[in-house]
Amino acid sequence: GQQVMQIPQYQHVQEGEDFTTYCNSSTTLSNIQWYKQRPGGHPVFLIQLVKSGEVKKQKRLTFQFGEAKKNSSLHITATQTTDVGTYFCLGNQFYFGTGTSLTVIP
Amino acid sequence: EAGVAQSPRYKIIEKRQSVAFWCNPISGHATLYWYQQILGQGPKLLIQFQNNGVVDDSQLPKDRFSAERLKGVDSTLKIQPAKLEDSAVYLCASSLDLQRGAPYEQYFGPGTRLTVT
Repeated sequence: GQQVMQIPQYQHVQEGEDFTTYCNSSTTLSNIQWYKQRPGGHPVFLIQLVKSGEVKKQKRLTFQFGEAKKNSSLHITATQTTDVGTYFCLGNQFYFGTGTSLTVIP
Repeated sequence: EAGVAQSPRYKIIEKRQSVAFWCNPISGHATLYWYQQILGQGPKLLIQFQNNGVVDDSQLPKDRFSAERLKGVDSTLKIQPAKLEDSAVYLCASSLDLQRGAPYEQYFGPGTRLTVT
């Protein structure tokens, strides 16, 4: 069956450093969504990408969908303590990635 | 706008017992999802409803799990009998009509944390 893997599984950064998580699918995706889950919380929608090569920005967050629509990335510039949480990608609204847990050290 | 409601928030049961979870989606959302999230993992889709019909239940362990959405609004998820490995957070989510083609964001409820002892 389809699998969506994310790397890295964990990432610890100093506040102000950049952070990137990568999402890779075993098959071509029609769309990909990104969610953030704070510790003890539930996933919250961040963005959706549907076009090959699409790039979207939200303040310090940059999201990219690969040309082949099999991978995606989320990049955070100058992390803040409010960025702490686990970031998940969701492929085709069915397959959640394994998640990347971000810890920001003040 | 009220969010997705779930109850109970916490449940502790012994193995082989039964348990039921309830979800009330956002008003007007035709699509409802049940996920199982084991600690440290991503949510795993158990079942997806479009109104009161099942769209996908390929990952639902049907020998012990069942779900229904009789009137196309509220939904219940039941486990009978529970096993130790069912300990997880059960998340309910809803979104606008999936069949309209464009993917819509999912709104999640707070989840039910199940502990099976």
